[in-house]
Amino acid sequence: EAAVTQSPRSKVAVTGGKVTLSCHQTNNHDYMYWYRQDTGHGLRLIHYSYVADSTEKGDIPDGYKASRPSQENFSLILELASLSQTAVYFCASSDKWSSAETLYFGSGTRLTVL
Amino acid sequence: QQKVQQSPESLTVSEGAMASLNCTFSDGTSNNFRWYRQHSAKGLEVLVSIFSDGEKEEGRFTAHLNRANLHVSLHIREPQPSDSAVYLCAASVNTGNYKYVFGAGTRLKVIA
Repeated sequence: EAAVTQSPRSKVAVTGGKVTLSCHQTNNHDYMYWYRQDTGHGLRLIHYSYVADSTEKGDIPDGYKASRPSQENFSLILELASLSQTAVYFCASSDKWSSAETLYFGSGTRLTVL
Repeated sequence: QQKVQQSPESLTVSEGAMASLNCTFSDGTSNNFRWYRQHSAKGLEVLVSIFSDGEKEEGRFTAHLNRANLHVSLHIREPQPSDSAVYLCAASVNTGNYKYVFGAGTRLKVIA
């Protein structure tokens, strides 16, 4: 069974502060993704990566950076957290970048920016 | 870009009754569709993947795809209280790279 673990499970941050969300997968998957989920909206893609040391912008990358230091680890960085970034963040992995591939999700990180 | 709308926003059914969830998409460019389930404080688990018109069954979960009507549905047979969760529909999009567009979800409550 695919395993994607996220940390922390929840976090409270102050406006203007730096936040780092971490994701670790043991699936040996090439692709990793960061999504955010807001009430009333579906998941929206922030950044993704298909190889270590490389990241790509998704649909809503503004205000976020990503880092993929190894195949297993993928971080999402909010350099200057803002109120509008309060959301639940999900990390996912997949074997290939293909419409036929299933995404395996972590349990999410609930971020509250005050 | 492909947009995915789910209905209803919330649904309450009795244990054992059929639950039906709907998903409409804005254009016919997607190659495949998935239904995910999200329990509170947990990640998403894939229930059914469907790639062609017709029906795909996975246990108590059946997806129906009708591309001409831009519609995919999920039917849950004999739902149980443990099926209470948010159900998300996802459509693939090929823009040079593949990605997935998600609906906002249907919150299902199954009462005993």
